[in-house]
Amino acid sequence: SQELEQSPQSLIVQEGKNLTINCTSSKTLYGLYWYKQKYGEGLIFLMMLQKGGEEKSHEKITAKLDEKKQQSSLHITASQPSHAGIYLCGADKSAHDRGSTLGRLYFGRGTQLTVWP
Amino acid sequence: KAGVTQTPRYLIKTRGQQVTLSCSPISGHRSVSWYQQTPGQGLQFLFEYFSETQRNKGNFPGRFSGRQFSNSRSEMNVSTLELGDSALYLCASSFSGTGETQYFGPGTRLLVL
Repeated sequence: SQELEQSPQSLIVQEGKNLTINCTSSKTLYGLYWYKQKYGEGLIFLMMLQKGGEEKSHEKITAKLDEKKQQSSLHITASQPSHAGIYLCGADKSAHDRGSTLGRLYFGRGTQLTVWP
Repeated sequence: KAGVTQTPRYLIKTRGQQVTLSCSPISGHRSVSWYQQTPGQGLQFLFEYFSETQRNKGNFPGRFSGRQFSNSRSEMNVSTLELGDSALYLCASSFSGTGETQYFGPGTRLLVL
């Protein structure tokens, strides 16, 4: 099965600081998704990366997928309290997976981000 | 366009009871996936429906079942509830369920006493 490792598990930063969250897979990633979740609520889609070396930005959040497509990073510039929450990476089927993966995403355990003013 | 909606948002049941959760996908989306989220196991895939057919199933016991209607709305049912079924149940929709972004609903928080 596809396993995604996220680091760090939790992060506490002061408002205005930059931060990076990593998502690593032992297998090639085919479709890497970043979501944000407020505690006890649904997942909010942030960005999707598919190509090796791809980089996307939205407001102060930038996500990258490395050339080997085995690691992705999420970078937040000048963090704000509104950035606080749980960040989850999810991935589609990899070439090594067996069985059907239709409609299935594999998720990391998440990174809990706290931003204090 | 309205997002994914789930009802009810909160539910309290006792062991042995059964429960039905509902999910309405984004208009035009035909794939609906269900996930269970717990602190111990994280997000785990339950099953996926497309055009009223279950196409994929995760590793959950038969007490967990679902269905999809012709308008793409989906329900999941859990029979003979156990304490360990307490979780946040999330549904997600996409156009076809393959290589596309899944959009999640707000979830149903189930507490089993």
